[in-house]
Amino acid sequence: NAGVTQTPKFRILKIGQSMTLQCTQDMNHNYMYWYRQDPGMGLKLIYYSVGAGITDKGEVPNGYNVSRSTTEDFPLRLELAAPSQTSVYFCAARAFFGQGTRLTVV
Amino acid sequence: KQEVTQIPAALSVPEGENLVLNCSFTDSAIYNLQWFRQDPGKGLTSLLLIQSSQREQTSGRLNASLDKSSGRSTLYIAASQPGDSATYLCAVPRSGGGADGLTFGKGTHLIIQP
Repeated sequence: NAGVTQTPKFRILKIGQSMTLQCTQDMNHNYMYWYRQDPGMGLKLIYYSVGAGITDKGEVPNGYNVSRSTTEDFPLRLELAAPSQTSVYFCAARAFFGQGTRLTVV
Repeated sequence: KQEVTQIPAALSVPEGENLVLNCSFTDSAIYNLQWFRQDPGKGLTSLLLIQSSQREQTSGRLNASLDKSSGRSTLYIAASQPGDSATYLCAVPRSGGGADGLTFGKGTHLIIQP
């Protein structure tokens, strides 16, 4: 089983650029989450979804957007990237986590 | 707002020792508590999930306890091995059963010396 797959694994963005972090799961879970992890810190919840068509803000949603058109996919969109968004991003389906996307904004 | 604290932040011990990692949370009205392991450059792997009605859970050399009334949980690792080296994270639901996500501690970075 693939579980939760995130792409890309690494990305460098310039300030002001936009990108979409992809997340797909093959476990048919309704609940999906996006977290960010800064060095030495725990994970902070960005957005979550309890099912297709339903999304809600987490603790740190500013600068991000999400959509959930299918049960499998939960992409995270960064608009106008800022250095403060340099972080490692994790997608999860229930308590199953992807391998993360390491994003650097320069 | 729920806050989760983990002590110590880092721990280095010789192989073979038994050790205890601590987790505390401010709101005792939790449905469950979960311990995760994170290896460098990897995602999180769930180790143990303790429901609020349970006092402890065991998996192999790992034993996690939960004391809701005092807002504490401990993860006990018996006969530690170099392969146990990782960061251990404690997490509780943001609210209710956790449909709206988890609140994490900052983790304990564990090094087991061969």
